[in-house]
Amino acid sequence: KNEVEQSPQNLTAQEGEFITINCSYSVGISALHWLQQHPGGGIVSLFMLSSGKKKHGRLIATINIQEKHSSLHITASHPRDSAVYICAVTPEEYGNKLVFGAGTILRVKS
Amino acid sequence: DTEVTQTPKHLVMGMTNKKSLKCEQHMGHRAMYWYKQKAKKPPELMFVYSYEKLSINESVPSRFSPECPNSSLLNLHLHALQPEDSALYLCASSHPRQRLNEKLFFGSGTQLSVL
Repeated sequence: KNEVEQSPQNLTAQEGEFITINCSYSVGISALHWLQQHPGGGIVSLFMLSSGKKKHGRLIATINIQEKHSSLHITASHPRDSAVYICAVTPEEYGNKLVFGAGTILRVKS
Repeated sequence: DTEVTQTPKHLVMGMTNKKSLKCEQHMGHRAMYWYKQKAKKPPELMFVYSYEKLSINESVPSRFSPECPNSSLLNLHLHALQPEDSALYLCASSHPRQRLNEKLFFGSGTQLSVL
């Protein structure tokens, strides 16, 4: 079993829909990251959080430390949101090491 | 300046060649990372440098040789690579210990093809 599990693996949405991507992890962490990767491109860090909730534009990330679960929400989705979204955690044991989930491939249709 | 710059963007090399990948950042980050990413897979950590010293080596073959000449630069020297080493190589930087409200910054990667 992977230490970081994401769901769904693939997601297709219509423009304007509210989208949720989930991430569960099994180790103690000091931080959780949500990352975005467009095809053939580098990775953009969207959020880093260790508690509560963060919002940036149409993106919202939440984390529940007790349940070892995080969600990434996209409101009013747009075709330019189409990308791979990756959840990664920084284990408590290794401050400089990320453990990645497999990613969620999101496609938003117009 | 909030960028991590990687060069070259694309590289094709033969199995007998020697080449180097370069990474540069001017954000004052003292931790720098090399990741390898195969198509449709998440990145895999290769090396971590903290304060210009190698702190993590994830059992990477010796044909990959990292170097951190100063706090802004990170190199990855390649020699006698195999076709299965073809991948996207990503550099990243951060403060050495993840702090609240600190993000990890990634470069756009070098797409490497080994023939």
